[in-house]
Amino acid sequence: GQQLNQSPQSMFIQEGEDVSMNCTSSSIFNTWLWYKQDPGEGPVLLIALYKAGELTSNGRLTAQFGITRKDSFLNISASIPSDVGIYFCAGQYNFNKFYFGSGTKLNVKP
Amino acid sequence: EAQVTQNPRYLITVTGKKLTVTCSQNMNHEYMSWYRQDPGLGLRQIYYSMNVEVTDKGDVPEGYKVSRKEKRNFPLILESPSPNQTSLYFCASSPGRGATYGYTFGSGTRLTVV
Repeated sequence: GQQLNQSPQSMFIQEGEDVSMNCTSSSIFNTWLWYKQDPGEGPVLLIALYKAGELTSNGRLTAQFGITRKDSFLNISASIPSDVGIYFCAGQYNFNKFYFGSGTKLNVKP
Repeated sequence: EAQVTQNPRYLITVTGKKLTVTCSQNMNHEYMSWYRQDPGLGLRQIYYSMNVEVTDKGDVPEGYKVSRKEKRNFPLILESPSPNQTSLYFCASSPGRGATYGYTFGSGTRLTVV
C-alpha cells in the first residue's frame, strides 16, 4: 500500500501556541483529508481538500493541498487543551480507497 | 443520531477461536470499510464494500473475511484469529463515490488475541 510520511510524530506545546504538521507522499493524490482522533474514539473528519493549491479553513484550523499533489499541511492557531489528540492525514487517488499517515500526537499544556 | 456502531468495544480471545465484530450504520451509506490501527502504522484498510454483495480487499486482508448482505451491516470475521491480529479495529461508512464526504468512523473495537 501507499506510504504517507506524517511529521512530527508527536508535539508538546503550550496553550495558545500555533501548531503545524505535514504529510508527504511519493504518489500523487486527488484528495487530501485531515482527521482528528480523541482518546477512545474513532477519527473525525476536520478538513477535506480537493485540488492542488487549495487552502481551506475550519475555525482555527487551516489546511493546504500542495501544488505537487504529493503533500499537505495542517495548521492550528492559538491551541487550546481540547485540541489534544492524534491528527491523521489521508490521501486518496483511487475510487474510495484512502491511505492514512501514521499520525501526529498533539499534547497541549494549559 | 447518525452513527456507525461497532460491537463489541473490547474483546479478548484465544488463538484459533472464530469471532465476528459487528458494524452497523444508520445513514443509508453505500460504502463501508474496515481498518485496523496499530502504533506507528496509522490506519490500514482491511476490506471495503461499495454496495450490497460487493466487497473488495484493502491493503491487509489476510486472515479476515467480510460480508455485505444488507446495506446497513458489514461484519468483520476472523475465522482463526492469531496474536498478530491484536489491534484496534474501526468500521467506517461513506455516502457516495469518492472522497467528497470522507468516512464516518465507529468508536472502535480493541481486540486482543492470546
